[in-house]
Amino acid sequence: ETGVTQSPTHLIKTRGQQVTLRCSSQSGHNTVSWYQQALGQGPQFIFQYYREEENGRGNFPPRFSGLQFPNYSSELNVNALELDDSALYLCASSLGQGANTGELFFGEGSRLTVL
Amino acid sequence: RKEVEQDPGPFNVPEGATVAFNCTYSNSASQSFFWYRQDCRKEPKLLMSVYSSGNEDGRFTAQLNRASQYISLLIRDSKLSDSATYLCVVNGGGGFKTIFGAGTRLFVKA
Repeated sequence: ETGVTQSPTHLIKTRGQQVTLRCSSQSGHNTVSWYQQALGQGPQFIFQYYREEENGRGNFPPRFSGLQFPNYSSELNVNALELDDSALYLCASSLGQGANTGELFFGEGSRLTVL
Repeated sequence: RKEVEQDPGPFNVPEGATVAFNCTYSNSASQSFFWYRQDCRKEPKLLMSVYSSGNEDGRFTAQLNRASQYISLLIRDSKLSDSATYLCVVNGGGGFKTIFGAGTRLFVKA
């Protein structure tokens, strides 16, 4: 148990819809990062939030957006869903940021299927 | 070129074998390095950090060569329970992001 919880665990959407995924970070962790993991691939970095501000972003279009709340929980929002968005979405919490980021503690993920 | 590249795998080895995983990274300003392990349909978990001086944890040894931008993981005396995907991870390098390699799948057979 990492103390990182994600919801929902599974969901099915259709193309063009919007989805919100949620993550509660481990107690005391101020940094949350989100990853997309397609089948057979490594996790792809989407973005990172540190103390409620996005401070790092991977190669994902603007329709991927997020929030971090004062309690350091976080949301990932994806608009205008495409078939290729089908993947496991992983949230990880950690202490620090950038090069000082310590161990990443992952939730079990939200598996999104887009039909 | 991918930011972090790993051996494509999969590696199929018998119990007791020694297996080595290789990883290269493209950003010379990267500052911290890790190996994570991911079991099938589970989340990644930290296996060990990697230091320039090399570090060992039981049967696992990790090495970092900054000049060659190369990271390795050696597993000695493989166990069935070592079967998993091993992910090379690089942090820092001018941006607040942690980059994962695609992973190398290991199957240890009896």
